[in-house]
Amino acid sequence: DAGVIQSPRHEVTEMGQEVTLRCKPISGHNSLFWYRQTMMRGLELLIYFNNNVPIDDSGMPEDRFSAKMPNASFSTLKIQPSEPRDSAVYFCASSLRDTNRGEQYFGPGTRLTVT
Amino acid sequence: DAKTTQPPSMDCAEGRAANLPCNHSTISGNEYVYWYRQIHSQGPQYIIHGLKNNETNEMASLIITEDRKSSTLILPHATLRDTAVYYCIVLIQGGSEKLVFGKGTKLTVNP
Repeated sequence: DAGVIQSPRHEVTEMGQEVTLRCKPISGHNSLFWYRQTMMRGLELLIYFNNNVPIDDSGMPEDRFSAKMPNASFSTLKIQPSEPRDSAVYFCASSLRDTNRGEQYFGPGTRLTVT
Repeated sequence: DAKTTQPPSMDCAEGRAANLPCNHSTISGNEYVYWYRQIHSQGPQYIIHGLKNNETNEMASLIITEDRKSSTLILPHATLRDTAVYYCIVLIQGGSEKLVFGKGTKLTVNP
């Protein structure tokens, strides 16, 4: 298995632009998570889905952030408009909820820089 | 979920055992202890988890005290590639899947 796939790996954009991050979970996994990591705040959960349905979005910072999971093999995290404070590494993770819901598999991350 | 407390940093000599402690004194009966690690610039990696019995897998051993208020992750023969930040997390099995990562312990394995 290729593991969790994220794209792009690096993104540099200007303030005000729309940014879309993509994630392909491990095949067969039914939960998907979006995390953000910064030096100041550490690693924090933004939102997670189970069976493509958002379960907890309490970590989404504000309305500029949105996430979708149109099917079991694809999810997007969109920031519109982007701001410099959104600069961070964004990780996607997936898990098989029914067997061990604490065992999550993380992707390599997308490093976002907003100038 | 119960909070955890870990030392901010530890050092270990290559080839020796690394023992990483975690305090979770407010843990409840249905909360599991999970350990993850994050090697620089990579995504976190699941290591092991347990409820009350000691657990061992190919990566590490997890020792949980009888009162469950603390645990120790043991890397039996640390290598330079084990240098990473190690996170101890408690999670209610069957409840939310939300992992709350603290600051963890930065383990440095020295040659």
